[in-house]
Amino acid sequence: AQTVTQSQPEMSVQEAETVTLSCTYDTSENNYYLFWYKQPPSRQMILVIRQEAYKQQNATENRFSVNFQKAAKSFSLKISDSQLGDTAMYFCAFMKDAGNMLTFGGGTRLMVKP
Amino acid sequence: DTGVSQNPRHKITKRGQNVTFRCDPISEHNRLYWYRQTLGQGPEFLTYFQNEAQLEKSRLLSDRFSAERPKGSFSTLEIQRTEQGDSAMYLCASSPEGSSYNSPLHFGNGTRLTVT
Repeated sequence: AQTVTQSQPEMSVQEAETVTLSCTYDTSENNYYLFWYKQPPSRQMILVIRQEAYKQQNATENRFSVNFQKAAKSFSLKISDSQLGDTAMYFCAFMKDAGNMLTFGGGTRLMVKP
Repeated sequence: DTGVSQNPRHKITKRGQNVTFRCDPISEHNRLYWYRQTLGQGPEFLTYFQNEAQLEKSRLLSDRFSAERPKGSFSTLEIQRTEQGDSAMYLCASSPEGSSYNSPLHFGNGTRLTVT
């Protein structure tokens, strides 16, 4: 079974600053996918960024980027130029190759302060 | 694309009662998922449909839980003889055909169940 751990229950950052959210996972799979989802106070989960485990290049989506360290089973999310609208719960998630089930971490509550 | 719709948004029920939730996925999506999210936790997988076929069920889905997707469109999740531990947000998600990586999940706003 896979497990996903987010060790930071809450974080805060000043607007326009950079913040990094941590995620580690445990699996015996070699091929898999990793995701970061955002859940704003309205509760609808939105995909932020995704990474294929067999790709060494770190994924980037505008202000969001990841630091994927496969050997360390680490998948952190960096948010640059933080905006007030980034305030949300952030969930790291794992999916096996050819799988259909996401395994989520416990989440990190991010507060962006003006 | 009107998004994934879930009804009701909130449900308060007394212990022992039955409840049913509905999920309407994005119209062209043939995959549908149910997750449960308790306060302060990440969502936990419950079950997965491809069209009308229920292909995966979590061990979290006890005998009191049943899900259907009769025509491969909307889905219902029923909880019989509710218990206080069933209090949670129930999330529905859908995705189109294709690899799960290239066809990421679209989530609804959820149904919040409170069992008193």
